[in-house]
Amino acid sequence: AQRVTQPEKLLSVFKGAPVELKCNYSYSGSPELFWYVQYSRQRLQLLLRHISRESIKGFTADLNKGETSFHLKKPFAQEEDSAMYYCALTGAGGTSYGKLTFGQGTILTVHP
Amino acid sequence: ETGVTQSPTHLIKTRGQQVTLRCSSQSGHNTVSWYQQALGQGPQFIFQYYREEENGRGNFPPRFSGLQFPNYSSELNVNALELDDSALYLCASSLGHRGDTQYFGPGTRLTVL
Repeated sequence: AQRVTQPEKLLSVFKGAPVELKCNYSYSGSPELFWYVQYSRQRLQLLLRHISRESIKGFTADLNKGETSFHLKKPFAQEEDSAMYYCALTGAGGTSYGKLTFGQGTILTVHP
Repeated sequence: ETGVTQSPTHLIKTRGQQVTLRCSSQSGHNTVSWYQQALGQGPQFIFQYYREEENGRGNFPPRFSGLQFPNYSSELNVNALELDDSALYLCASSLGHRGDTQYFGPGTRLTVL
């Protein structure tokens, strides 16, 4: 069974501070990991996926297979980063390919 | 290019009733996935349709069923509604079913009384 755990339901930081949103996963095969974001009154949208190795809006995430983690990081948080963040996983092949398993989400608040 | 749309926005039903939710996929996308998001939880995968065929199902009972039409729009049907079915139902479309980026609609909020 595949599972995604986001241990923090709420995370508060001040503008300009570094931020790290934690994500741990459980999957027996080779996973693909994603971060989705939902800003206030907007729909869920993809922030980044590990295979693209992009930095989006200053956010990066590294897949650590040894620790089964995919933490999201940004060196200097901005107020517009305040949102709900979901970590998600899919199997990279097989019958679970393309079916997302989400964590419970972390609400990030960036204070001025 | 039109994004994913869902209808209706909100819906109130009573226990035992049946409901149909609709989703129009983004132009050019042939795959639709449905998710249930209970309050305070992350979305949970219900099922996926690829070119009008069911292509995977999550841990949901058979009273949750779906359809995909030739234009790739999709319906989610829920029979014999239960109180626990109250949730936000999200649909997402993608170019294909092999891990392509999923684009989400705004969701339908279903309340079962």
